[in-house]
Amino acid sequence: GENVEQHPSTLSVQEGDSAVIKCTYSDSASNYFPWYKQELGKRPQLIIDIRSNVGEKKDQRIAVTLNKTAKHFSLHITETQPEDSAVYFCAARGASFSGGSYIPTFGRGTSLIVHP
Amino acid sequence: DTEVTQTPKHLVMGMTNKKSLKCEQHMGHRAMYWYKQKAKKPPELMFVYSYEKLSINESVPSRFSPECPNSSLLNLHLHALQPEDSALYLCASSLGQGSSYEQYFGPGTRLTVT
Repeated sequence: GENVEQHPSTLSVQEGDSAVIKCTYSDSASNYFPWYKQELGKRPQLIIDIRSNVGEKKDQRIAVTLNKTAKHFSLHITETQPEDSAVYFCAARGASFSGGSYIPTFGRGTSLIVHP
Repeated sequence: DTEVTQTPKHLVMGMTNKKSLKCEQHMGHRAMYWYKQKAKKPPELMFVYSYEKLSINESVPSRFSPECPNSSLLNLHLHALQPEDSALYLCASSLGQGSSYEQYFGPGTRLTVT
């Protein structure tokens, strides 16, 4: 089945710096890559996603890049703010199919800490 | 309505109790999911319902019993749970089962088994 590796597990930055979180996946059939932000005690919230026919997508301070050949995708956050502090999960979908559904495979998460 | 709701927010139950978790969405989504999440870990898929039919059971113990009464509602019935079942239980939904449909999560039920 699909395997998603996520690094780093913890990332500590100063306010205003950029943060980059990287994920690799194993199955080239994966074609949808969402990123979730989960604040303490809250739900995972979809913040950006990318499909395999696109190499890069931006939404204000957040961007995601996808390299299908290398099978990796990255989340970039610029001008970080304390409210960006959270656990971020990447996921890959499209390779694992069971019972008529595509099962997402999650990375293990990155705890981002933005110091004021 | 653009969100998934879950009740209750918190639940404490003994190992002999029977309780139910409830999830609701009114976005017309036809796929609904139950996940279990331990602290600082990714969500683990438990069940998937597609068009009100159970399509995936990820080898979940029978003390967890899902039910989909209609396309907007998803329940998780709990019976004879163990302390290690304490976790955040998340419901999610997506428009369909296709690989590129966005998945939206509910706020979760924090379950403690004593």
